[in-house]
Amino acid sequence: AQSVTQPDIHITVSEGASLELRCNYSYGATPYLFWYVQSPGQGLQLLLKYFSGDTLVQGIKGFEAEFKRSQSSFNLRKPSVHWSDAAEYFCAVGERAAGNKLTFGGGTRVLVKP
Amino acid sequence: DAGVTQSPTHLIKTRGQHVTLRCSPISGHKSVSWYQQVLGQGPQFIFQYYEKEERGRGNFPDRFSARQFPNYSSELNVNALLLGDSALYLCASILRPGPQNTEAFFGQGTRLTVV
Repeated sequence: AQSVTQPDIHITVSEGASLELRCNYSYGATPYLFWYVQSPGQGLQLLLKYFSGDTLVQGIKGFEAEFKRSQSSFNLRKPSVHWSDAAEYFCAVGERAAGNKLTFGGGTRVLVKP
Repeated sequence: DAGVTQSPTHLIKTRGQHVTLRCSPISGHKSVSWYQQVLGQGPQFIFQYYEKEERGRGNFPDRFSARQFPNYSSELNVNALLLGDSALYLCASILRPGPQNTEAFFGQGTRLTVV
């Protein structure tokens, strides 16, 4: 069965500093990978996705992620964090054969210091 | 265009009661999935429906059931509520399931509290 691990439960970063969120997955084949962001009390917004091709994918709000098959990782990065980036971030893997069932990691809460 | 709409936004129920949550997908989308998000955890897959048929089910007890209507809206039903059912219930809308695993759009969720 597929699984997703986000090793960092909380990350605190200063505004303007860079951010990297880690994601490791377990899946038997080439996965579909996603990063979602959730503001308090809200639903999930898709930041970016990887299906195939270029392993560096660009998303919304200045985020990017890199798929590394050898490390089973899909880490999310942003060069310069804004206060509005404070939220919870979820990495997810999708099953290719079964439509859009998503398996999520436990999430990483990002706090932004002024 | 309206996004994914869920109702109600908040709900308080007593243990043992029944609850029905509703979801309307994005216009033109034919598949709906339901997820449960317990506080402090990532969402967990409950069901997927496409063209009124169940296409996938997560590891949830039979107290959880769902259905999809001809207009592609969906209901999630939970019987004999337990305190542990307290969670944010998210509905996701996609165009259709398939090998390309297209993007899922999520609603704002229904916050269910069981007391």
